[in-house]
Amino acid sequence: QSALTQPPSASGSPGQSVTISCTGTSSDVGLYNYVSWYQQHPGKAPRFIIYEVTKRPSGVPDRFSGSKSGNTASLTVSGLQAEDEADYYCCSYAGNNRLIFGGGTKLTVL
Amino acid sequence: QVQLVQSGAEVKKPGASVKVSCKASGYSLTGYYIHWVRQAPGQGLEWMGWINPNGGGTSYAQKFQGRVTMTSDTSISTVYMELSRLRSDDTAVFYCARDDRLTGKIDYWGQGTLVTVSS
Repeated sequence: QSALTQPPSASGSPGQSVTISCTGTSSDVGLYNYVSWYQQHPGKAPRFIIYEVTKRPSGVPDRFSGSKSGNTASLTVSGLQAEDEADYYCCSYAGNNRLIFGGGTKLTVL
Repeated sequence: QVQLVQSGAEVKKPGASVKVSCKASGYSLTGYYIHWVRQAPGQGLEWMGWINPNGGGTSYAQKFQGRVTMTSDTSISTVYMELSRLRSDDTAVFYCARDDRLTGKIDYWGQGTLVTVSS
């Protein structure tokens, strides 16, 4: 099964909003409300920022929000800050006890 | 606090096997699934499979079927991932990470273990 499709890069200026898309199929993103998002800074382990499409773990700023429409999930980062510059990965449950990740998006804060 | 602490970096020759450990603390190992995720240099995250330490059940991604084995030793709160018949393109950082319901709600990750495959 191929990875979920994410744009390789995204960018925005401090204070702006940016949205990263994650496109799957009707067998994963479109079928289950189990999309999660992870932030990864260089050389670090991923950090959990969104789960079940829209839910934010405690400690994650409300500048991070998630949504889904059809086979595409999205992560929006509002009020961009310098520390938001990182790689972002989506992940979806894909049935039969399997997970699938997106290819990742490098977010640059200009 | 919850921690997943992985074993150190490894260098292996092509064709060899590697076994990476992941020791859990701060919670009951048997209460969560453990996923293993691979990240090749400069590349994205790739799901390899999971183990349920409560009983030892496993599920592996088709790509790794036949080459990966995930096990657990609940007496020492440790899970293991063994990858055999290593190739140069297996060079990567391997992460263990916990999930409570197999829905991708992966809330804690190990620090990663770099495995280098080189002749």
